[in-house]
Amino acid sequence: EVVMTQSPVTLSVSPGERASLSCRASQAVSTNLAWYQKKPGQAPRLLIYRASTRATGIPARFSGSGSGTEFTLTISGLHSEDFAVYYCHQYNSWFTFGGGTKVEIK
Amino acid sequence: EVQLVESGGGLGQPGGSLRLSCAASGFIFSNYAMSWVRQAPGKGLEGVAIIGASGFSAEYTDSVKGRFTISRDNSKNTLFLQINSLSAEDMAIYYCARPMGGLMTHAFDVWGQGTVVTVSS
Repeated sequence: EVVMTQSPVTLSVSPGERASLSCRASQAVSTNLAWYQKKPGQAPRLLIYRASTRATGIPARFSGSGSGTEFTLTISGLHSEDFAVYYCHQYNSWFTFGGGTKVEIK
Repeated sequence: EVQLVESGGGLGQPGGSLRLSCAASGFIFSNYAMSWVRQAPGKGLEGVAIIGASGFSAEYTDSVKGRFTISRDNSKNTLFLQINSLSAEDMAIYYCARPMGGLMTHAFDVWGQGTVVTVSS
């Protein structure tokens, strides 16, 4: 099983600042990686797929990069509605998720 | 509007069974693989099972093999998850989710709101 490790576990950021979230795979997954935003009581929302392609309707402040085993989600200029938990998800082999990064207000 | 609506969650006894359903609308259900993903209290997301568009192929995470069965009725646009031999480790919100592009493995672009499974005697 491909193990996905996200860091940091919690990220404290002020509104308007930039946030960088990391996701590492235990083995190469090419660019078969997605990012989701999850808020309490809501379903996950797809942000990025194929490592760097924004999903429909996702603002340009969300960007993804990486391939192989190292991936990054960057949120440029955090809005109040961006404070949430973010998960990475590899779909190269079966499908596994990272443990999540909580982005909280500093 | 593309929509997935889960039902069937509730309180189950240890060793008991539950059957979850996911009603799909707004897209051609039979063209897409479908999946179940769960989130235990205070935990992250976990892939549980996935089924191909025709229903002939299915895969499961190791912890549920032999206990869970994923199935679908394309004539009724409905996905199912039969859960047997319930254990405390199965307590979670269960989401149905649609992989993009009709593929078995891809990003999930459509999610339901989830149904809660509680296990207690």
